[in-house]
Amino acid sequence: EIVLTQSPATLSLSPGERATLSCRASQSVSIYLAWYQQKPGQAPRLLIYDASNRDTGIPARFSGSGSGTDFTLTISSLEPEDFAVYYCQQRSNWPRTWTFGQGTKVEMK
Amino acid sequence: QVQLQESGPGLVKPSETLSLTCTVSGYSISSGYYWGWIRQPPGKGLEWIGGIFHSGSTYYNPSLKSRVTISVDTSKNQFSLKLNSVTAADTAVYYCAREPYDILTGYSSPFDIWGQGTMVTVSS
Repeated sequence: EIVLTQSPATLSLSPGERATLSCRASQSVSIYLAWYQQKPGQAPRLLIYDASNRDTGIPARFSGSGSGTDFTLTISSLEPEDFAVYYCQQRSNWPRTWTFGQGTKVEMK
Repeated sequence: QVQLQESGPGLVKPSETLSLTCTVSGYSISSGYYWGWIRQPPGKGLEWIGGIFHSGSTYYNPSLKSRVTISVDTSKNQFSLKLNSVTAADTAVYYCAREPYDILTGYSSPFDIWGQGTMVTVSS
C-alpha cells in the first residue's frame, strides 16, 4: 500500500506570499498525483491532476510539479480565498485504489 | 451541468447498516465514468471507500471491503453505498464523486465533480 505524506501540516502565510506544499509517496507513483483544495463546509475541489496539469478553471497561480515520489504544489501569490486545506491523492493500479495524504492547512498569518 | 447529490439517514445505530444514495443530474450514468464514494470523519482527512462503473464493476478500499457494497441503478441515474456493522468510527461526512475513466486505456483520472456531502452519525 502506498502512503502519501504531506508537509508541513500547517503553513502560516500572508496574502501575496508564495506557498510551497510537499507530498511524498512511499514508492513511485510516476506522475499519477493530484491535488485538491478544501474549504470549511465544502467538498474538495480538484486543482491539479497528473502532477502538473491544472483542472478546468483553476487559476494560473496554482502549479504542480514532481514525479516518482516527490511532488510540490505551489501557489505563487496567495489570494484571500486560497486559505484552505490541501490534499494530495494518488492512484494505484494493483490493487486498484485511491489514497489521500493527510492534508496541509494553509492559514492566514 | 453535472451535479451529484447524496441522500440518506443522518443517524444510524451501531451494528446497523448505513445506506446512502447519490443522484446524478446533467449526465447519464450509463454513458460512462466510474462513480465513487469518499468519506471524511469530523476534523480529519479524506478516505476513499470505493467505486462502481455503469456496468456494475466495482472496486473497494481493502480496509473496508468486507463491509462495503456499492451498486448502481441506471434507470434512476443513481448509485448507492451500503456499509454494514457500523461503529462510531464510521461517523463522517460522506461524499459521492465522479471518476473520469478511459475505457480504451484503462486509465482513471482523479475525482472531478463532487456532491456537497452528507453527514452521517453513528450513535444509539
